Amino acid sequence: IQLTQSPSSLSASVGDRVTITCRASQGISSDLAWYQQKPGKAPELLIYAASTLQSGVPSRFSGSGSGTDFTLTISSLQPEDSATYYCQHLNSFPLTFGGGTKVEIK
Amino acid sequence: EVQLLESGGGLVQPGGSLRLSCAAPGFTLSGYGMSWVRQAPGKGLEWVSIIGTSGHETYYADSVKGRFTTSRDNSKNTLYLYMESLRADDTAVYYCAKGRGGNYPESRTFDYWGQGALVTVSS
Repeated sequence: IQLTQSPSSLSASVGDRVTITCRASQGISSDLAWYQQKPGKAPELLIYAASTLQSGVPSRFSGSGSGTDFTLTISSLQPEDSATYYCQHLNSFPLTFGGGTKVEIK
Repeated sequence: EVQLLESGGGLVQPGGSLRLSCAAPGFTLSGYGMSWVRQAPGKGLEWVSIIGTSGHETYYADSVKGRFTTSRDNSKNTLYLYMESLRADDTAVYYCAKGRGGNYPESRTFDYWGQGALVTVSS
């Protein structure tokens, strides 16, 4: 199963609403997670089961979707959200990650 | 707070072998699925392997199948990745990652990650 993320990069201002899309090559129900990775650091889990917020993650992050189309939304972009975001499916083996979306602050 | 500590990375010649370890001091890993995920320099994340709670069930990415072996020693609370027939394109930071639980789907979503171990394959 291949995951295609779009856009590959974006630049937005503090306070903007940001949406990242992840499309699966076949239906994966809600078997999708989202991670945030900052330079030189390990990824951190944001969302699992497509829409469940991981404990400790700010509520400005949300996930939606099922089947083949998924979105990660940051409702009000903050400076600390500058990072690369990855989706990952867990529907079957091999597990795969999307190519990543780099979010920059204007 | 769960801490995952990888060790064993380094420089190895093409065709060589290396073993990575991942320990979790103060936390019991035996009830969780565990994975290895790698990231080549400047590239995205690539899942490498997963091992079930007992160690009997393993799955691998096609790119490493037959060359890498994942194992665990629950008595030592440690995860291993044995890599052989290494190639230049295996050069990456290797992360161990803890599943949220012991079975599908929780085992396949990663809530804690190690700091990463750099493996460089070069002559």
